[in-house]
Amino acid sequence: GENVEQHPSTLSVQEGDSAVIKCTYSDSASNYFPWYKQELGKRPQLIIDIRSNVGEKKDQRIAVTLNKTAKHFSLHITETQPEDSAVYFCAATNNNDMRFGAGTRLTVKP
Amino acid sequence: SQTIHQWPATLVQPVGSPLSLECTVEGTSNPNLYWYRQAAGRGLQLLFYSVGIGQISSEVPQNLSASRPQDRQFILSSKKLLLSDSGFYLCAWGQGIYGYTFGSGTRLTVV
Repeated sequence: GENVEQHPSTLSVQEGDSAVIKCTYSDSASNYFPWYKQELGKRPQLIIDIRSNVGEKKDQRIAVTLNKTAKHFSLHITETQPEDSAVYFCAATNNNDMRFGAGTRLTVKP
Repeated sequence: SQTIHQWPATLVQPVGSPLSLECTVEGTSNPNLYWYRQAAGRGLQLLFYSVGIGQISSEVPQNLSASRPQDRQFILSSKKLLLSDSGFYLCAWGQGIYGYTFGSGTRLTVV
């Protein structure tokens, strides 16, 4: 089955700096890669996703890149703000079930 | 629009007691349904998923079970809870290659 690795487990940045979270996956059949943000005690919320026929996608301050050959995908947050502080999860799926990375706790210091 | 309901929000149960968590989805038909567990400060572990009524795939052998008696209803159960069953349980639904939508979660504490 699919195995998703996520790094780093914790990340602390200064407000205004960029943050990058990286994930790798094992199943070459995976074709959809979403990213979720989870605030303390709340449900994960989808923030951006990318499909296997796309190499990069951007939505305002958030961008995702996908390298299918290397089975890597990354989340980039620019101009970070304190409200970006949360746990971020990457995930990969090949249709029926979705596997998540272990999460990255991002802290943005004002 | 689609909505997902999950209850209860919190639950404190003694070791050895039974468990039943319910999840229902509105506004869609034939969704894929999922149960995930999140231990404190940890990632999301897939427990069960279902692609249709009566169809359950189990990912982790343990004392939990799942059932899907209706198209938009997914139930997580246990006959006897263990301390290690404590965690944040999340139901989710999805269709095809789209991001999942999670329920609000149930925080279960086994004492």
